[in-house]
Amino acid sequence: EDQVTQSPEALRLQEGESSSLNCSYTVSGLRGLFWYRQDPGKGPEFLFTLYSAGEEKEKERLKATLTKKESFLHITAPKPEDSATYLCAVQAGSGGYQKVTFGTGTKLQVIP
Amino acid sequence: DGGITQSPKYLFRKEGQNVTLSCEQNLNHDAMYWYRQDPGQGLRLIYYSQIVNDFQKGDIAEGYSVSREKKESFPLTVTSAQKNPTAFYLCASKRDRLNTEAFFGQGTRLTVV
Repeated sequence: EDQVTQSPEALRLQEGESSSLNCSYTVSGLRGLFWYRQDPGKGPEFLFTLYSAGEEKEKERLKATLTKKESFLHITAPKPEDSATYLCAVQAGSGGYQKVTFGTGTKLQVIP
Repeated sequence: DGGITQSPKYLFRKEGQNVTLSCEQNLNHDAMYWYRQDPGQGLRLIYYSQIVNDFQKGDIAEGYSVSREKKESFPLTVTSAQKNPTAFYLCASKRDRLNTEAFFGQGTRLTVV
């Protein structure tokens, strides 16, 4: 069974204090790994897609990386507006339907 | 502006009643999905549709039903058979069934009273 585990469950940072969020996965036939940001009471917003080990993508203060077993979302010099829950999802399998499995998320709070 | 619209944002239902949640997209996406989100759990797939007039059960389809008569629309009915319907429901669409990103609506919070 495909599994996606995110850690930590919650993270509190001071403004400007860089850190990383982890997404470890066990799937058969990874097709893509996705990062989303979700604000309270709203739907997830797409951030990145990573397809193969060694791939990296950046957007403003965020950088996502991928290895064969895990992905990291690095947050450099975070600001209070980066406070949100960050979700990781993996798409795996082949054929007519490729299953997407979501992690439970990391709730990030950035303190001014 | 392209996107996905879910309505209503909040919905209250009495026990024993069926309710329908609306999901409309104008992104011209083929694939649409319904997820349920509960505290401390990842998003769980209820139903998905990869093309008009076709849909498949996800991991937790019991007590739910859907239709896909138009490309733009994928309504979800929560029936009285769903034993624990109080949750946050999210609709999503993708350009196709392959490994592309999903676009989500803003969600409907359903509460059974």
